[in-house]
Amino acid sequence: GEDVEQSLFLSVREGDSSVINCTYTDSSSTYLYWYKQEPGAGLQLLTYIFSNMDMKQDQRLTVLLNKKDKHLSLRIADTQTGDSAIYFCAETNNAGNMLTFGGGTRLMVKP
Amino acid sequence: NAGVTQTPKFRVLKTGQSMTLLCAQDMNHEYMYWYRQDPGMGLRLIHYSVGEGTTAKGEVPDGYNVSRLKKQNFLLGLESAAPSQTSVYFCASRWTVGTEAFFGQGTRLTVV
Repeated sequence: GEDVEQSLFLSVREGDSSVINCTYTDSSSTYLYWYKQEPGAGLQLLTYIFSNMDMKQDQRLTVLLNKKDKHLSLRIADTQTGDSAIYFCAETNNAGNMLTFGGGTRLMVKP
Repeated sequence: NAGVTQTPKFRVLKTGQSMTLLCAQDMNHEYMYWYRQDPGMGLRLIHYSVGEGTTAKGEVPDGYNVSRLKKQNFLLGLESAAPSQTSVYFCASRWTVGTEAFFGQGTRLTVV
């Protein structure tokens, strides 16, 4: 089955850039997503990228996809304390019915 | 818009008791999902549905059953709760492949 992996923890200083990485195993993944979870809340979609794209930029967020290495990254420019949360990458399989998540990366932003 | 609503938000069960978690969405979404979230393990898919009257097993289906009798509701049942089922449960829905999945606020279940 599909497997999505992320590092558990990232700490950065306010104003720096954050880069959260994700690897996946399903080469037939069609859509890849980044979700954000704040304490005590559900997940909210931040951005997504279709598998035929290499990069997508949305304000402070940049998503890079290396399909050959099955590597996805999320860069947050000018990280703020309000960005502190758990970030999940997720992918949709080839059939499109399942949505598989990684273990989440806890981002801590220090003032 | 209510979006995705989960009921209840908190519950404590004794081992062996049964309960049903309700997920309701008002967006006319076809796809609905039940996940459990445990520390360090992310979200693991329990069961999902691609339309009214259909259900399918996810990654960790054992000990759970689901039903999708109405398009807007997706029920998750625990017939005989075990301490290993202590977790936070999230429901999600989406229109179709590639579209955004919307999540409920979660149900924190403790089995003692």
